[in-house]
Amino acid sequence: QKEVEQDPGPLSVPEGAIVSLNCTYSNSAFQYFMWYRQYSRKGPELLMYTYSSGNKEDGRFTAQVDKSSKYISLFIRDSQPSDSATYLCAMSLYGNNRLAFGKGNQVVVIP
Amino acid sequence: EPEVTQTPSHQVTQMGQEVILRCVPISNHLYFYWYRQILGQKVEFLVSFYNNEISEKSEIFDDQFSVERPDGSNFTLKIRSTKLEDSAMYFCASSGVLSYNEQFFGPGTRLTVL
Repeated sequence: QKEVEQDPGPLSVPEGAIVSLNCTYSNSAFQYFMWYRQYSRKGPELLMYTYSSGNKEDGRFTAQVDKSSKYISLFIRDSQPSDSATYLCAMSLYGNNRLAFGKGNQVVVIP
Repeated sequence: EPEVTQTPSHQVTQMGQEVILRCVPISNHLYFYWYRQILGQKVEFLVSFYNNEISEKSEIFDDQFSVERPDGSNFTLKIRSTKLEDSAMYFCASSGVLSYNEQFFGPGTRLTVL
C-alpha cells in the first residue's frame, strides 16, 4: 500500500465552482498535514498547514483532516482561473521533518 | 516576503560529472532540506540538515550525494558522479525551529544529465 495516495486528475471546473481535493494515507502516525500548490515548472508553495484532526480555514481555502479515516481534504471556494495548478498533499510524523507527498492533483479552472 | 532562492535554474551536465546545486534559505530558518521530483512523479525527500549536520536522509541519498552549509547563507547539494537517473527537479526548502514541518520551497533547479 502506498504511503500517500492522491488521484492525479486532471480536474476541470468552471470559474466560481467549489474545488474538492483529497488524499488518503496508510500511516496512522502522521500528525502534520499540508497542502501545497505547484504551478508548472515551479516550486511547491505552502497553502495550508494543519496539526492532527479538524478543520482550518484561510480565505477561500479550507483544509480538513479526518485521522480516523486517514483522509484529508482541501476545498477551494469561488475558484478562479489563477487557481489552475497542481495541488500536492504532504504529511509528516511527530518529531520528524521528512515530508511524504502525494502525486499531486491537477486542477483547471475554466473562465 | 522572504523566500528561498536557488541557482542555477537549469543545469545540464554529462554523465559522470560532478554538480553543485545552490540554495539560499530564508534567513531566520534553521532547518534545511533537499527534495527532488522526477518528471511525472512525486516529490521525494532526500535529506534534512540542522545545526551543521544531517538530521535525516532517505535511501536515495547515497554516497554520491553530500550537503554543506559553506557559510551563513548558502546551502548546497553536491552530486559527485551524476547518472542519467539523477535528471530531475531539485528543490531546496527551509523551515523555522518552532514549526519545522512548515517547509517553504524554492523554485527548483532542473538538472539534466546527458
